[in-house]
Amino acid sequence: AQTVTQSQPEMSVQEAETVTLSCTYDTSESDYYLFWYKQPPSRQMILVIRQEAYKQQNATENRFSVNFQKAAKSFSLKISDSQLGDAAMYFCAYAGGGNKLTFGTGTQLKVEL
Amino acid sequence: EAGVAQSPRYKIIEKRQSVAFWCNPISGHATLYWYQQILGQGPKLLIQFQNNGVVDDSQLPKDRFSAERLKGVDSTLKIQPAKLEDSAVYLCASSLRLAGGPRETQYFGPGTRLLVL
Repeated sequence: AQTVTQSQPEMSVQEAETVTLSCTYDTSESDYYLFWYKQPPSRQMILVIRQEAYKQQNATENRFSVNFQKAAKSFSLKISDSQLGDAAMYFCAYAGGGNKLTFGTGTQLKVEL
Repeated sequence: EAGVAQSPRYKIIEKRQSVAFWCNPISGHATLYWYQQILGQGPKLLIQFQNNGVVDDSQLPKDRFSAERLKGVDSTLKIQPAKLEDSAVYLCASSLRLAGGPRETQYFGPGTRLLVL
């Protein structure tokens, strides 16, 4: 079975600074996707970024980018120029065959003035 | 484009009562998912539908939980009878189709927060 591990329960960052959230996963599949979702207090899960395992190039979406290390099974999220609106719970998720999402336990990100 | 709709947003019931949640996916999305998110944890898949058929219900507690998607659009998740440990947020998500190749992004609704007393 696939597992997703987020070892940082909480992270803090100063506004306008850069922060990196860590995620590792375990799988025996070769074809899979990885995602970062953001969940603000409203509880709505919002897709931040996704990475296809067969692509070597790291995905980027504006201020958000990933560092995907397939051999190490590592998938970290970098947020540049952090904004107050980035404060939320961030979940790393894995989708293999069948498109079932397996989530990590989340990292609570706080953005300080 | 309208997103995934869920109702009610909040529900408080006593243990042993029954409760039902409703989900309307994004128009045209064939695949629908129900997740349970207990406080402090990531969401866990309960059941996955492709059109009106069940693809995966391996983690659905079938002695008390049931779900249906009769016409391949809206879906209802029911709990009967509820237990204290069912207190959680129930998230509905949809994706365009069940992919044999590329994984389809799942889009989530706002969730239903259930409190069982």
